[in-house]
Amino acid sequence: DAKTTQPPSMDCAEGRAANLPCNHSTISGNEYVYWYRQIHSQGPQYIIHGLKNNETNEMASLIITEDRKSSTLILPHATLRDTAVYYCIVRVGWRDDKIIFGKGTRLHILP
Amino acid sequence: NAGVTQTPKFQVLKTGQSMTLQCAQDMNHNSMYWYRQDPGMGLRLIYYSASEGTTDKGEVPNGYNVSRLNKREFSLRLESAAPSQTSVYFCASSELVGRPNSYEQYFGPGTRLTVT
Repeated sequence: DAKTTQPPSMDCAEGRAANLPCNHSTISGNEYVYWYRQIHSQGPQYIIHGLKNNETNEMASLIITEDRKSSTLILPHATLRDTAVYYCIVRVGWRDDKIIFGKGTRLHILP
Repeated sequence: NAGVTQTPKFQVLKTGQSMTLQCAQDMNHNSMYWYRQDPGMGLRLIYYSASEGTTDKGEVPNGYNVSRLNKREFSLRLESAAPSQTSVYFCASSELVGRPNSYEQYFGPGTRLTVT
């Protein structure tokens, strides 16, 4: 079973910030939070990951709560090209293992 | 640098036929994965290989076999295809690179398989 819970779909107006939540209440101390997105029927694309500190890159920001039981992916200025399914996954950071994707959140950017 | 490549892109099989899906990566990654994605669903892990010579079952391994031929190549075989295996199959690879504990996965473009 996936270790994360996400809303099945969300809408966001173009130009606004899109905030995508993820619940991972059973996360272990050595597990990182990763975010991917899948545009149309392409292969998923990595966005960002973090352990406990907030992270930012050219694509997005990741906010992880202090207890690490939930996180939020922020797309600061959403465009139509950000319409995609967004997946939140957790995985151990120091070794390789099964990587389980859930059903993700389908984000619709509205013009 | 092609990243992760998959062949074929499309395939139609009859029930009971066999075939092998090929995957190759040119990033010198140790880990490789096979996922399937059914319409409107998320990705489900079939098998993965943490390093050359090792393979492990994922969430949905029944009906599939895999071979890690070498570090570059990881193939997925359907011995006797069934309509329930109609899906899009994605291969991925990853490696511990960059800043500590970065295990970014790179995905191929997918193989669209229909079993009639």
